[in-house]
Amino acid sequence: QQQVKQSPQSLIVQKGGISIINCAYENTAFDYFPWYQQFPGKGPALLIAIRPDVSEKKEGRFTISFNKSAKQFSLHIMDSQPGDSATYFCAASMDSGNKLIFGAGTRLAVHP
Amino acid sequence: AAGVIQSPRHLIKEKRETATLKCYPIPRHDTVYWYQQGPGQDPQFLISFYEKMQSDKGSIPDRFSAQQFSDYHSELNMSSLELGDSALYFCASSWGGQANTEAFFGQGTRLTVV
Repeated sequence: QQQVKQSPQSLIVQKGGISIINCAYENTAFDYFPWYQQFPGKGPALLIAIRPDVSEKKEGRFTISFNKSAKQFSLHIMDSQPGDSATYFCAASMDSGNKLIFGAGTRLAVHP
Repeated sequence: AAGVIQSPRHLIKEKRETATLKCYPIPRHDTVYWYQQGPGQDPQFLISFYEKMQSDKGSIPDRFSAQQFSDYHSELNMSSLELGDSALYFCASSWGGQANTEAFFGQGTRLTVV
């Protein structure tokens, strides 16, 4: 059973558009929610992360929106570029824990 | 900046053989995590170490073992390899023993069992 549910599985966006990827979780003990970007054959690279005490975090073109009551969080990529084409994973972990639990991933393709 | 170093990058083994994967964390990082990623799958947590002690254990087969050494590098030992062990194996490192601090991943070792 996937503890972190991610959607959509794949996403096609035109250059300059907004890419939106959603994740939901059940375990209220989770308190750290990072997003990773992975290119084929490479390791996941940390993009941006958020904790439950804030509802939004923005770094450049990447924004995380966090809804604690709904137990949902999402990644928004503004002005999407072909170089953003990759697989994106949301993840969660808990303060007392020691591992990241990943969503199933979203394969993003940004067309020129 | 130094990153997490994994070796080898690629490894081909036959069924029932053994394999050893190595991970060198970012300098001053004291925590190492191992993940297994099958084709088109998300990374699955295997095991982690903090200050040379096992700190958490996930879905790691009994045929696998791991340890963290005094210089903080870690090795994942895999015995009696099966075809289903073919995957990308990632090591990640962080500081302080908690997964809710930034974890940096290596480039991975692609293991192919034939």
